[in-house]
Amino acid sequence: KAGVTQTPRYLIKTRGQQVTLSCSPISGHRSVSWYQQTPGQGLQFLFEYFSETQRNKGNFPGRFSGRQFSNSRSEMNVSTLELGDSALYLCATSRDNGYGYTFGSGTRLTVV
Amino acid sequence: GIQVEQSPPDLILQEGANSTLRCNFSDSVNNLQWFHQNPWGQLINLFYIPSGTKQNGRLSATTVATERYSLLYISSSQTTDSGVYFCAPGTSGSRLTFGEGTQLTVNP
Repeated sequence: KAGVTQTPRYLIKTRGQQVTLSCSPISGHRSVSWYQQTPGQGLQFLFEYFSETQRNKGNFPGRFSGRQFSNSRSEMNVSTLELGDSALYLCATSRDNGYGYTFGSGTRLTVV
Repeated sequence: GIQVEQSPPDLILQEGANSTLRCNFSDSVNNLQWFHQNPWGQLINLFYIPSGTKQNGRLSATTVATERYSLLYISSSQTTDSGVYFCAPGTSGSRLTFGEGTQLTVNP
């Protein structure tokens, strides 16, 4: 079966711009969670979507937002980019409630 | 929030050696997973193990939920086992808290 697909793989943006990242889950996976990985803070939970609803949210500012579509694909958006937003953004999908995550390969965002 | 402590932070082994990685967590959990992140950044789910013991080939894991720790055993290590191993417990459904990881290097 196809894995979790994240696009794009790499992205370079300028401070102040906004960015949208995409995550397509494995067929049958309805839960999509997003994580940010940086050398300083490690892996941190951003938010989780299930059936087009945000079900859980981490401690990130409102510049970070997301949504989920009826086909379970999810997007996350970061507005007014800051240098500190440079990170590997990972999405993880599961059938329900985070049991047995499958991670995508991630999007590496560089803000200059 | 839940605190996660992994040990050791770094581990260097010769191929064929065995190792034990430990994860301590501060709260009762309803979810705990172990992951391996390879040198290319891909996170691979090894075990979903909020309690009990599981085995998959050369890997096995045990979680003692009442004592708030989990162990990952790697036997007969191979160079392809190199990478970072993360423990990630959760108290609220899908939200996992990742430890800082154990950096494992297996030398030929």
